[in-house]
Amino acid sequence: DSGVTQTPKHLITATGQRVTLRCSPRSGDLSVYWYQQSLDQGLQFLIHYYNGEERAKGNILERFSAQQFPDLHSELNLSSLELGDSALYFCASSVESGRALRGNEQFFGPGTRLTVL
Amino acid sequence: GENVEQHPSTLSVQEGDSAVIKCTYSDSASNYFPWYKQELGKRPQLIIDIRSNVGEKKDQRIAVTLNKTAKHFSLHITETQPEDSAVYFCAASFSGNTPLVFGKGTRLSVIA
Repeated sequence: DSGVTQTPKHLITATGQRVTLRCSPRSGDLSVYWYQQSLDQGLQFLIHYYNGEERAKGNILERFSAQQFPDLHSELNLSSLELGDSALYFCASSVESGRALRGNEQFFGPGTRLTVL
Repeated sequence: GENVEQHPSTLSVQEGDSAVIKCTYSDSASNYFPWYKQELGKRPQLIIDIRSNVGEKKDQRIAVTLNKTAKHFSLHITETQPEDSAVYFCAASFSGNTPLVFGKGTRLSVIA
């Protein structure tokens, strides 16, 4: 168990719908990263939040958005869903930069498997 | 941006033999290189990592080597066991809270 939690584990929905994925980082971790894993694309970085602020964006579609709340949990919102959005969505958390020796070790949650029908 | 190439995409070895997976990266500013193991349907798990101020790191049957000049790093697994069968991902990033750029993964099968 990495200490990172994600809900729900599985989500089945229809095209055109909107879903929200939730992530709680490890205690003390200020950074949350979202990654998408599909069969043919491997692990792709979507977005990074640090202490409530967006830090970096990767290959994230405009239909997707995210935020990190004051309690540091994060939500990934996916709207106007398409068949190609079916994938495993992982969040990962890491310790604050500047903590000696442990910067940037990212620990992954169990993932949310999204199926769009 | 950073690009990570990983080879081979699949690897089969006999139990007890060694396995080597190689990755190259493009951005010379990258200085943190983790390896993750992912079993089917489960989360990626960090198994070992190396930073650019170190050339080699070992943890029991697992070792990672880094050649900064050539911009490549490798994972070595010795005395492989069936439970080593999984998909292994290499990644690269700057240290200090930056996203990981992953290779496309290597499916390792250890044949008993």
